Amino acid sequence: AQKITQTQPGMFVQEKEAVTLDCTYDTSDQSYGLFWYKQPSSGEMIFLIYQGSYDEQNATEGRYSLNFQKARKSANLVISASQLGDSAMYFCAMRENAGGTSYGKLTFGQGTILTVHP
Amino acid sequence: NAGVTQTPKFRILKIGQSMTLQCAQDMNHNYMYWYRQDPGMGLKLIYYSVGAGITDKGEVPNGYNVSRSTTEDFPLRLELAAPSQTSVYFCAGRTRGQGETQYFGPGTRLLVL
Repeated sequence: AQKITQTQPGMFVQEKEAVTLDCTYDTSDQSYGLFWYKQPSSGEMIFLIYQGSYDEQNATEGRYSLNFQKARKSANLVISASQLGDSAMYFCAMRENAGGTSYGKLTFGQGTILTVHP
Repeated sequence: NAGVTQTPKFRILKIGQSMTLQCAQDMNHNYMYWYRQDPGMGLKLIYYSVGAGITDKGEVPNGYNVSRSTTEDFPLRLELAAPSQTSVYFCAGRTRGQGETQYFGPGTRLLVL
């Protein structure tokens, strides 16, 4: 079974609108972390936001927020007020605890390509 | 600080050749990781290290080797290049006790023909 599933291969959004990128995960660990990374066409991996499994509040970083629904095992990324520069590939990733010895290893989803239209 | 750096940026190899992808960091990262990204896919972990002299396999280690003789450097070795190793390789680092974020290098694009 996939540990991280991103079901939207591509998404389109109008500039200044909000968009939600979906991510569901599968783990039996109680302690884990969820990440979103952005990969523009230039290829680098840019960290956006992190949510710990015990965090009670949804994480926010500027225009990015993570809609964390633990019971549903979902960690959707919400981008508010989209900008043309948001056009990129977005990856959801998970760090499992594996009995406390995961050493931060990440498992990535397949990504969602976001295109922002003017 | 330069962060996590990788060399070369791009390389073409012939089948059976060997090469070393270099990764260096000046951020005092304890943990370092090598990932590969195949076209249109997410990243998969090849090897990781939790400190100098300590390395372990990730999800897709076959065909690769690593070493970590110093904290700063974490080279990835391909011994007998195969077309299946055509990919983009990312090195990343993380500092224990300073949050969860992994900081990625710019990547090395490798083409095996």
